[in-house]
Amino acid sequence: TQLLEQSPQFLSIQEGENLTVYCNSSSVFSSLQWYRQEPGEGPVLLVTVVTGGEVKKLKRLTFQFGDARKDSSLHITAAQPGDTGLYLCAGADSSYKLIFGSGTRLLVRP
Amino acid sequence: GAGVSQSPSNKVTEKGKDVELRCDPISGHTALYWYRQSLGQGLEFLIYFQGNSAPDKSGLPSDRFSAERTGGSVSTLTIQRTQQEDSAVYLCASRQQFHSYEQYFGPGTRLTVT
Repeated sequence: TQLLEQSPQFLSIQEGENLTVYCNSSSVFSSLQWYRQEPGEGPVLLVTVVTGGEVKKLKRLTFQFGDARKDSSLHITAAQPGDTGLYLCAGADSSYKLIFGSGTRLLVRP
Repeated sequence: GAGVSQSPSNKVTEKGKDVELRCDPISGHTALYWYRQSLGQGLEFLIYFQGNSAPDKSGLPSDRFSAERTGGSVSTLTIQRTQQEDSAVYLCASRQQFHSYEQYFGPGTRLTVT
């Protein structure tokens, strides 16, 4: 059974601080996706990483896929209150079914 | 363009009743997934449809759960004899079959079993 461990579960930081969320597994995934979810809404895709060692940047967000395609990280620079939300990593198996991490609930205080 | 839509947005039902949840995927997306999001369990895969192939039902928690997809588009998830532990948000996602890893989610149906 493929599992994804996501950490930390909760993060409360001051506006302007940096943070990193980690997603780890003992399994190899064909791709890994990061989502952000707001209350009452479905997850919204932020990025997909496919190649081991891949780094993608989305404004202040930097996503990295581990060389072995077993782990990933999300780094946010100079966090803003608008970044508040639930961040989910999800690994895709060979049939593109997603195995989700438990999520990181981020609160950025003004 | 239109995203994935789901209905109803909220459903309250009594224990033992049957419920049907509907998903309308993005036009042209041939792959459709159902997931369930509950407190303490996170997001878990339920069932997957890909074109005309037999669905992957490996995530369905019990035989009270079933789903169908008519005409390769709209899908219905049916839960029979609902139990309180079925209370959760049921999310549908669709994916373009070729050259795409990305799944796009609907807003979900919040099911409460009383």
